[in-house]
Amino acid sequence: NAGVTQTPKFQVLKTGQSMTLQCAQDMNHEYMSWYRQDPGMGLRLIHYSVGAGITDQGEVPNGYNVSRSTTEDFPLRLLSAAPSQTSVYFCASSWGANQPQHFGDGTRLSIL
Amino acid sequence: AQTVTQSQPEMSVQEAETVTLSCTYDTSESDYYLFWYKQPPSRQMILVIRQEAYKQQNATENRFSVNFQKAAKSFSLKISDSQLGDAAMYFCAYNNNAGNMLTFGGGTRLMVKP
Repeated sequence: NAGVTQTPKFQVLKTGQSMTLQCAQDMNHEYMSWYRQDPGMGLRLIHYSVGAGITDQGEVPNGYNVSRSTTEDFPLRLLSAAPSQTSVYFCASSWGANQPQHFGDGTRLSIL
Repeated sequence: AQTVTQSQPEMSVQEAETVTLSCTYDTSESDYYLFWYKQPPSRQMILVIRQEAYKQQNATENRFSVNFQKAAKSFSLKISDSQLGDAAMYFCAYNNNAGNMLTFGGGTRLMVKP
């Protein structure tokens, strides 16, 4: 059972480039979320989804887009990368509200 | 908005001894959930323990237990018989009853001395 799979694990971008961070889960979880973790800090919620076709903003949504066309996938798009978006990004899923979230291994993103 | 505060940036403990990590939170809600997550150097986020606010009994998972004081909005984690593998960052997190949005504290780095 793979759990939550994030790709890529590492990425370097130039300012202004766009890219998509992939997240897939094979546990049939309805709830999925994206977080970012900056050095020495806890995770902050970017966007989340409570089911296919439903997404909403978290604490730090600016500069990011998400969509949820299937239960399994929840990609995060950076529209025009900025150095302030250099961070480690985590995707998580859970089967219901308030249930423990299962995290992927994270994507380390550097923007020059 | 809810806030979660971990006032101890770093803690150290001798192997086999007990250590307590502190967490306080601010909320106006009466029903919510609290979590402790462990992040080892591999950067994986691993669930340690979960507490439901409506339950008075403190949660326990093997060597890990919590002291949940709802009135004081305090949620500390006690690790008994500390092991070298317990060395990690520990994050306290709050989840309201309306959805699946975790609010994390800033973390406590735990070092375990052999």
